Amino acid sequence: GAVVSQHPSRVICKSGTSVKIECRSLDFQATTMFWYRQFPKQSLMLMATSNEGSKATYEQGVEKDKFLINHASLTLSTLTVTSAHPEDSSFYICSAIRDMNTEAFFGQGTRLTVV
Amino acid sequence: QKEVEQNSGPLSVPEGAIASLNCTYSDRVSQSFFWYRQYSGKSPELIMSIYSNGDKEDGRFTAQLNKASQYVSLLIRDSQPSDSATYLCAVKFGTGGFKTIFGAGTRLFVKA
Repeated sequence: GAVVSQHPSRVICKSGTSVKIECRSLDFQATTMFWYRQFPKQSLMLMATSNEGSKATYEQGVEKDKFLINHASLTLSTLTVTSAHPEDSSFYICSAIRDMNTEAFFGQGTRLTVV
Repeated sequence: QKEVEQNSGPLSVPEGAIASLNCTYSDRVSQSFFWYRQYSGKSPELIMSIYSNGDKEDGRFTAQLNKASQYVSLLIRDSQPSDSATYLCAVKFGTGGFKTIFGAGTRLFVKA
C-alpha cells in the first residue's frame, strides 16, 4: 500500500503555544488529505478535508482559526494547533487519498499532550 | 442519527473461532466501504475494501455488503490472539464524494 508519513509522532507542549503537525504522502500524489482526532477509547472524528491549493473544509464544531490547515503541495498537508490547551490533548491522525476511487492511507498519528 | 454505527463490544471469541463484526450506515448513496484494524495507540490499517454487493474474501477475512439493507460486515475465520484489536468500519459518503466517516469501532478479544 501507499505510504503516508506523519511527523512528529509525539509532542508535548505548554498551554498557549502552537504546534505544527506534518502529513506527507511519500510515494503518491494526494489529491485530498484528511485530518482526524481521536480521544481515548473513542472513534476517529473527522476534523477537516484538505485539497491541494484550496482552503480546507472543516466539519461542524471544529474551529478553523484554532486548527489551521495548509495543503501547499500534492504531497504535504500541515495541521497547526494554535494556542493549545489541555483539552486539545489527543491523537491526531492524517490520511491521504490518491483519487476519489481509492482507499485512504493513514499516517502514524501524532500524540499531542498539552501541559 | 449516527452516520456509521457499530456495536462497540467488546466481542470476545476463543482462538480458532469465527469473529463476526457488523456495521450499518445511513447514506443510501454510499459507494465505498472499508474495514480498518487499529491497535491501541496506533493509527488504523486497512484490512478490506468492498464496493459491490456480495462477499469479498482475502485470506481469513471476508467482507460482506448488502446495500439494500445498508449493512456491511467483516468475518474473521480461525481467529488468532493477534487479531485482538479495534475494528473500524468506514464509509465513503456520496457519489464522487471524498468524505470518509468512521464508526465507533468494535473491540475484539481473541482468547488463547
